[in-house]
Amino acid sequence: GQQLNQSPQSMFIQEGEDVSMNCTSSSIFNTWLWYKQEPGEGPVLLIALYKAGELTSNGRLTAQFGITRKDSFLNISASIPSDVGIYFCAGGSSNTGKLIFGQGTTLQVKP
Amino acid sequence: DTGVSQDPRHKITKRGQNVTFRCDPISEHNRLYWYRQTLGQGPEFLTYFQNEAQLEKSRLLSDRFSAERPKGSFSTLEIQRTEQGDSAMYLCASSLAGRYGYTFGSGTRLTVV
Repeated sequence: GQQLNQSPQSMFIQEGEDVSMNCTSSSIFNTWLWYKQEPGEGPVLLIALYKAGELTSNGRLTAQFGITRKDSFLNISASIPSDVGIYFCAGGSSNTGKLIFGQGTTLQVKP
Repeated sequence: DTGVSQDPRHKITKRGQNVTFRCDPISEHNRLYWYRQTLGQGPEFLTYFQNEAQLEKSRLLSDRFSAERPKGSFSTLEIQRTEQGDSAMYLCASSLAGRYGYTFGSGTRLTVV
């Protein structure tokens, strides 16, 4: 079945640093999304990408939909302590809205 | 709009017991999804409804699992004869048809002892 490889698995950074994480797939997706999950809660949508090559920002977050439609990346600029959490990429390729999720990148920010 | 609501938040059950979870989606959303998430993993698709029709089920959804969405509003997910491997977070999400960026609930954490 379809799988997404998300890297890195975890990051421990200093407040103020920029962060970059990415997601790759062996399959093509029509949509890429990035979610953030905090302990004990469901994932919260950060950014949705609908076109190959699309670059979209949401505050300090920037994400891109790869040209090949098999990858995406997420950048966080000037990290702050509340950025702590697990970041998931997700790809969608069917009309059902079903998403395939990556394994997540755990981000820790040291004040 | 009060978001997606799931009940209960936590459930501890003995192996072999049946459990039922409820999800109340955002009222105007016609699609409702169930996902399962184990520790250290991303959510995995279980099933989805458009209105009251269950349109797709994952192979992860064994015969012990059943989901319903009567009248196209709230949904229930039942697990019969629970096993320790069923221990996970069960997430519900809703959206409008054609939209991928759906809203998740806070989940029901199931522990089977």
